Amino acid sequence: AQSVAQPEDQVNVAEGNPLTVKCTYSVSGNPYLFWYVQYPNRGLQFLLKYITGDNLVKGSYGFEAEFNKSQTSFHLKKPSALVSDSALYFCAVRTLSGGSYIPTFGRGTSLIVHP
Amino acid sequence: NAGVMQNPRHLVRRRGQEARLRCSPMKGHSHVYWYRQLPEEGLKFMVYLQKENIIDESGMPKERFSAEFPKEGPSILRIQQVVRGDSAAYFCASSLGTDFNYGYTFGSGTRLTVV
Repeated sequence: AQSVAQPEDQVNVAEGNPLTVKCTYSVSGNPYLFWYVQYPNRGLQFLLKYITGDNLVKGSYGFEAEFNKSQTSFHLKKPSALVSDSALYFCAVRTLSGGSYIPTFGRGTSLIVHP
Repeated sequence: NAGVMQNPRHLVRRRGQEARLRCSPMKGHSHVYWYRQLPEEGLKFMVYLQKENIIDESGMPKERFSAEFPKEGPSILRIQQVVRGDSAAYFCASSLGTDFNYGYTFGSGTRLTVV
């Protein structure tokens, strides 16, 4: 089965500390992976994607993600968290549905950065 | 470029009424995807459309829900005879094509409340 999982409903981190938001996937073939962020009452904003190339992908707002094929993971990271990073984060993977490729999202992880 | 426009932002309907949600994709985008977001459930895929065609509706309930993307005008998600369980945020995304390199741009969503 093709799927994506975000094992943590919520991640708490102090401002200035590094943060990690976890994501694992299960697809056949090469994975196409995305991270999106959603602020309250807003739509999803694209952060970064992995299609091919370097395993460490750099994205918007200082975020990066590490693709690990052996662990089927694509964890989102940031070296130093800001209070303004507090939001809902979604991992997505391309899946085959009805003969077409669509992005399938995880349940989301709420990131709370404490001052 | 105004991005993906969804309207209305908020919609209140009484049980049994019809809800009509509109999505205007980014200029030049001919692929539209609808998602529903419920608390604790993340984003659930509903339907994928191209101009005048439904490509994949595997995530859409068989009854009461329909979607269209006419040659001219926005994509419409229609919910007939709404029930309280239809209360959710509905997001649409658009893309330039099926190549994942194009990415997906999301609208700000329509928050439907059924009273």
